[in-house]
Amino acid sequence: DTEVTQTPKHLVMGMTNKKSLKCEQHMGHRAMYWYKQKAKKPPELMFVYSYEKLSINESVPSRFSPECPNSSLLNLHLHALQPEDSALYLCASSQGSMNTEAFFGQGTRLTVV
Amino acid sequence: DAKTTQPTSMDCAEGRAANLPCNHSTISGNEYVYWYRQIHSQGPQYIIHGLKNNETNEMASLIITEDRKSSTLILPHATLRDTAVYYCIVRVDGSGYALNFGKGTSLLVTP
Repeated sequence: DTEVTQTPKHLVMGMTNKKSLKCEQHMGHRAMYWYKQKAKKPPELMFVYSYEKLSINESVPSRFSPECPNSSLLNLHLHALQPEDSALYLCASSQGSMNTEAFFGQGTRLTVV
Repeated sequence: DAKTTQPTSMDCAEGRAANLPCNHSTISGNEYVYWYRQIHSQGPQYIIHGLKNNETNEMASLIITEDRKSSTLILPHATLRDTAVYYCIVRVDGSGYALNFGKGTSLLVTP
């Protein structure tokens, strides 16, 4: 099983809403990542979790709050987002080494209205 | 971080080989070159990676120059389904081994 599953696939939320994006993998990977991708741009790294601990936060606004409840799950909690936060949010996982590939989910398409 | 430079776009006729170049002149000795592709609105898909030797798998071949300052991804017989954005990434030590994407090459395979 080399699958990273993201739910939901699509999400529309208002600026006052609270929602969560979920990511799951069962490959025993110890590193998990959140990326944000705007239209016609490359994915941008947001957060890195290594062994269930946050190791990198790429200066992401606090309205995005990541959580890693266990080694298989990664959440991204959203609160008070702005329309410019509308994007494709991608989750990835890897063994956390130089010589092993990372696997990406299909993403959550988020629209903030 | 080692930066990569790729052409913005390329065309390839269906059935022909697609050769996608990448420059990574500041790569360090222990950093790997990874290639991913992204078909419209899907998650990036792993293609291949290498350190210094040429590599081949069922999807593609990766040719890395001896000085490791550049590489070429080869899709031997391109199909219409290979139309995608192709990213060449140098994976650095530390930083959770995250992949930092550059702008990539938009490959269009034409009939």
